[in-house]
Amino acid sequence: EAAVTQSPRSKVAVTGGKVTLSCHQTNNHDYMYWYRQDTGHGLRLIHYSYVADSTEKGDIPDGYKASRPSQENFSLILELASLSQTAVYFCASRELREGNTGQLYFGEGSKLTVL
Amino acid sequence: GDSVTQTEGQVALSEEDFLTIHCNYSASGYPTLFWYVQYPGEGPQLLFRASRDKEKGSSRGFEATYDKGTTSFHLRKASVQESDSAVYYCALSDPGSSSFSKLVFGQGTSLSVVP
Repeated sequence: EAAVTQSPRSKVAVTGGKVTLSCHQTNNHDYMYWYRQDTGHGLRLIHYSYVADSTEKGDIPDGYKASRPSQENFSLILELASLSQTAVYFCASRELREGNTGQLYFGEGSKLTVL
Repeated sequence: GDSVTQTEGQVALSEEDFLTIHCNYSASGYPTLFWYVQYPGEGPQLLFRASRDKEKGSSRGFEATYDKGTTSFHLRKASVQESDSAVYYCALSDPGSSSFSKLVFGQGTSLSVVP
């Protein structure tokens, strides 16, 4: 069974503080993704990676950094958290060999509240 | 760029009602289309997908047919149950564009089914 685990599951941060969301996958998948979920906007891609030590910008990368130190781990970093970054964040993985037909396997989400 | 539009933001039904959630897409290539379902407190999970014109995807009583002519992939179920209450996302992955390596999601439709 595919497994993507996120930590923390919930976090309260202060405006201007640094936040790191972590993701670990045991699927041996090449691709990893960070999506943000907001009511009315659905799921929007922040950053993704197809190989360790390399990351790519998604559709809404401003205010976020990403790090992929190994195939299994992918972090999302908010250097200066802002109120507008309050949201639920999802990590996902995907098998490269399946090409564009491949499905995403999601984690359970990390709820971030910035005060 | 590629995009997915779901017409209904929220749908409220009674058990045994017929469900339709509309999904239209815009893509430069010949995309694979997906339906994902997200139950409360969980990450999205694949419901089913389709990659060719007129191909029907189906799972758990839900179905959708890939229609390249009308660029649509509408989700239908003949008789919904309370357990179907969830958020449903339509998505695409387009091999002919930069979104090959990522999925583009619609805004999501929140389905509420009452007994």
